Amino acid sequence: DGGITQSPKYLFRKEGQNVTLSCEQNLNHDAMYWYRQDPGQGLRLIYYSQIVNDFQKGDIAEGYSVSREKKESFPLTVTSAQKNPTAFYLCASSITGGANEKLFFGSGTQLSVL
Amino acid sequence: AQTVTQSQPEMSVQEAETVTLSCTYDTSESDYYLFWYKQPPSRQMILVIRQEAYKQQNATENRFSVNFQKAAKSFSLKISDSQLGDAAMYFCAYRRPRLAGAGSYQLTFGKGTKLSVIP
Repeated sequence: DGGITQSPKYLFRKEGQNVTLSCEQNLNHDAMYWYRQDPGQGLRLIYYSQIVNDFQKGDIAEGYSVSREKKESFPLTVTSAQKNPTAFYLCASSITGGANEKLFFGSGTQLSVL
Repeated sequence: AQTVTQSQPEMSVQEAETVTLSCTYDTSESDYYLFWYKQPPSRQMILVIRQEAYKQQNATENRFSVNFQKAAKSFSLKISDSQLGDAAMYFCAYRRPRLAGAGSYQLTFGKGTKLSVIP
């Protein structure tokens, strides 16, 4: 089945540690996105990528980094510079172009600080 | 910058009844897209319905329909014949059109409305 796979489902970070969240899609979508969700809040965009080897900052990119070396993969690294990383992280993808463009979401990763 | 406001943090509805969730947005654009997403306890985001701003006709998807008032910048979601499986967080979202350039793929979300369905 086609879809978006995020791993791990739960992740714990120690102080000063970088952690990487995985996002893989087999939908052949060009665009991929990372969103952060805090309790009682909507989703906020961290980074997005429209094509391989290119990505742009979203509204809250500080303390995060991404790469897009393959069309299928868009990993997110939460660096030690992100002082409040505890949140639910959602990856999404979409076809670019056409009237039926819509986002497909993964099942998310809950990141907590030890 | 675009903003999306959902003024009802929580709502409840009796099973089989109808409920309307409110959403207002602020934009200077004339062409854009609006969405309602559902997030059940599994936390998976599910697209419920979408509306293109240039279309005057309100979108419908089975039991879900919208009341799109462009001049008032209002985009409410009506759920008819509510079912227990409708219980979830509902998020309203706004997206600029593609031709707007960089950032046009970004969605701006409201803070959500938690809907409870009473048996």
